[in-house]
Amino acid sequence: NAGVTQTPKFRILKIGQSMTLQCTQDMNHNYMYWYRQDPGMGLKLIYYSVGAGITDKGEVPNGYNVSRSTTEDFPLRLELAAPSQTSVYFCASSVVSSGGGEYFGPGTRLTVL
Amino acid sequence: KNEVEQSPQNLTAQEGEFITINCSYSVGISALHWLQQHPGGGIVSLFMLSSGKKKHGRLIATINIQEKHSSLHITASHPRDSAVYICAVKNFGISGNTGKLIFGQGTTLQVKP
Repeated sequence: NAGVTQTPKFRILKIGQSMTLQCTQDMNHNYMYWYRQDPGMGLKLIYYSVGAGITDKGEVPNGYNVSRSTTEDFPLRLELAAPSQTSVYFCASSVVSSGGGEYFGPGTRLTVL
Repeated sequence: KNEVEQSPQNLTAQEGEFITINCSYSVGISALHWLQQHPGGGIVSLFMLSSGKKKHGRLIATINIQEKHSSLHITASHPRDSAVYICAVKNFGISGNTGKLIFGQGTTLQVKP
């Protein structure tokens, strides 16, 4: 298994541009999450999904959108990028909420100039 | 007060020392996770605990459900153990089984040769 994969690894955006961060897991996990980690800070939940077709907001959803059309994929869309969205983005998945381990992707380092 | 508190926030040790990082939480949980993040790196799940004790190599994690406390121990510490160690709990909130993690603020460990 490849686990949780994210693309791209790095990206520089200009203010106002849009992009999609891709996240794929091949472990048939039902739960998937998007986190952001600002420099020197902890992880903050942006959006999460408990299964295909079901998504919900986390702590910091403003400026982002997600979709979950398949179990494997959970893309994060940034519309109208702002400097405040400069961060490292981690996707994660788990098999069930109570007993499953957490699996994190390698992260996407995004800079908005 | 944060729902998950770690101590210490920063820790410097000499190679070979025994290290303990503590985590206390104030919510009901289904599982507790210890995560490791190297500088500029990804996040790796070290342990998932719901009771008792787990050991992997030089790492030992314990949890006391009644006292709402967990510890991560590193025996014979090595400079490659230098990283941020994050405690995270998964609980069932009022809104039901969301599978969301609540993170501690992290402990930055530096092991000097």
